[in-house]
Amino acid sequence: EAGVAQSPRYKIIEKRQSVAFWCNPISGHATLYWYQQILGQGPKLLIQFQNNGVVDDSQLPKDRFSAERLKGVDSTLKIQPAKLEDSAVYLCASSLGLREWQFFGPGTRLTVL
Amino acid sequence: GENVEQHPSTLSVQEGDSAVIKCTYSDSASNYFPWYKQELGKRPQLIIDIRSNVGEKKDQRIAVTLNKTAKHFSLHITETQPEDSAVYFCAARKGGGSQGNLIFGKGTKLSVKP
Repeated sequence: EAGVAQSPRYKIIEKRQSVAFWCNPISGHATLYWYQQILGQGPKLLIQFQNNGVVDDSQLPKDRFSAERLKGVDSTLKIQPAKLEDSAVYLCASSLGLREWQFFGPGTRLTVL
Repeated sequence: GENVEQHPSTLSVQEGDSAVIKCTYSDSASNYFPWYKQELGKRPQLIIDIRSNVGEKKDQRIAVTLNKTAKHFSLHITETQPEDSAVYFCAARKGGGSQGNLIFGKGTKLSVKP
């Protein structure tokens, strides 16, 4: 069974630039999550989708972060403009439904210079 | 909202010894508590979980206990091996409207010395 796919794996940008991450969840998984994991900390939920609808985006810095899952499958997370403190690993996870196990992708390591 | 505290932040044991990691949560409505293992540079992987209607769950060398009254849960690893070395995260699922959200602890770096 294929796992959660993410790209790119690594990204280095300068502050004030824009960046986008892509996630393809496990086939059939209705729920998709984006987490931010700063070095030395646990993952922090940014946004949660159920199919193509947003369930929770309360911790998403909406002035610079946006995410979409237009067709209820793939998702993109965008940061515009990036700040130094956005340097982190961005993890995508998916689950069959809201109460099911979450499986993580390999993450995208973002470095903002 | 939910807050998850995890202790210790680092733990070093000799191979063959047991390791215990403890977490506390604040939201009494939380009902699902998974544990993830994250090796350096890799994704978190679910290793065991427990739901609020169960007090203990075991899977080979790994066990998790839950005390709902005290709002804490623990991960127990017996007969530790060097390959158990990793960062372990506990998490709690918030109750209420935002179903499915996991709140993670800050992690415990476990080192198993051969």
